[in-house]
This record gives sequence, C-alpha cells and structure tokens, in this order.
Amino acid sequence: QQQVKQSPQSLIVQKGGISIINCAYENTAFDYFPWYQQFPGKGPALLIAIRPDVSEKKEGRFTISFNKSAKQFSLHIMDSQPGDSATYFCAATLEGYQKVTFGTGTKLQVIP
Amino acid sequence: ETGVTQSPTHLIKTRGQQVTLRCSSQSGHNTVSWYQQALGQGPQFIFQYYREEENGRGNFPPRFSGLQFPNYSSELNVNALELDDSALYLCASSVVGPITDTQYFGPGTRLTVL
Repeated sequence: QQQVKQSPQSLIVQKGGISIINCAYENTAFDYFPWYQQFPGKGPALLIAIRPDVSEKKEGRFTISFNKSAKQFSLHIMDSQPGDSATYFCAATLEGYQKVTFGTGTKLQVIP
Repeated sequence: ETGVTQSPTHLIKTRGQQVTLRCSSQSGHNTVSWYQQALGQGPQFIFQYYREEENGRGNFPPRFSGLQFPNYSSELNVNALELDDSALYLCASSVVGPITDTQYFGPGTRLTVL
C-alpha cells in the first residue's frame, strides 16, 4: 500500500531530446510528490515537487504532470543535456508524516 | 548544497561490530530522518526523530537505533552489524509544520561491512 512504482529502470536520450519518467502510487493519502536527482556518491537532491491539487508544475526544463484519478505522475525533462545524466527518483509523502517513500529509480543517460 | 552534513564519509566495519553515524541538520530544521540506500536501489526509510523523540519507524530491526539532540543533530546506531547492512546511509532534515514539506538530504555515509 505504501509502494511507489517507477519506470523505466534506465533511459538513454539524445542531447536536446525529451526524457520522460513515469510513476504510479497506490495510497491515496499521499499528499506531496517530490522528484529527486542523485549523482553517484551523493545524496538525493530535490528537483521539483507537486501537490495533488495541481495537475502540472513547471520549473525551467523540468515539468511534473499529475493525474490524481489515475494515481500517476511523471517527470518530463525538456532539452535534455549530458549534465542531466543521473538517477532520478520519484517519491511520495504521507499526510502529516514525513516519511518519504521512494520509487525504484531511473538511471538517465543523455548522450551528445 | 543542502546544509545537511554527515560524518564519516566512509566507514569499514566487520560483521558483529557496532557503528555510529552522525548527522547535522540544516539550520532551522527540527526533524531528522534516516534512510538506508543499498546499491542500485531507492532509499528505504529507517526512522524519523522530531523533538528528540522517535516519530515513526520503517521495517528495520531494533538493532537500528537513533538519537536526536537538543541542537537537532542526530546519530544512527547499528549493533551486531550484518553483511547486508552495507549501504549508503542518508539523513534528511526538514521542518514539521501544518503541511508536508521537503526533506533535504545529506551526502551520506558509505558503510561497508566485511
């Protein structure tokens, strides 16, 4: 019930292309959905986050699309750059309880 | 950088030993959470401390214990180390408020159990 499912496991995108990572959750009590970016040997860093009362949020090249009825959300990285190569985790947080439940991660490689 | 620091960066222990990992929260944050991240996997929630008391625990045995101090720094203690405890241990700090807010992660401590 606490799971967050993430796909794909790995992704290779050409420089300038669009990277799309999808996530699905089961627990409708989740009320905050952050995306984290993690480089090798580093801790996860918050990239962008959304609450379920909003269907889309855009920050620079990064956009979250949120479908509450389908319990799905996705990250779009526009104009992908080699510096975006990292592992991306979607996550969800339970209302009033700050445990973060992470997806399994997507390793993104942007090739020149 | 998030302002969350962890020490040590790397640690090697042998099976059966005990280990203490330390975390300094971001200024103004009153909550600290600890996560275990095995290689190639997402972080798994161990427990959270708020105002020096445990405020939730994941599916980890009692040999994983913690402390939060009045200055909001924190320790993670693991007794009777097992080979499967080898992982990156992350702490994250945040502010408990009327709405859920972001957790900021430190760089982690890489623990290797031989």
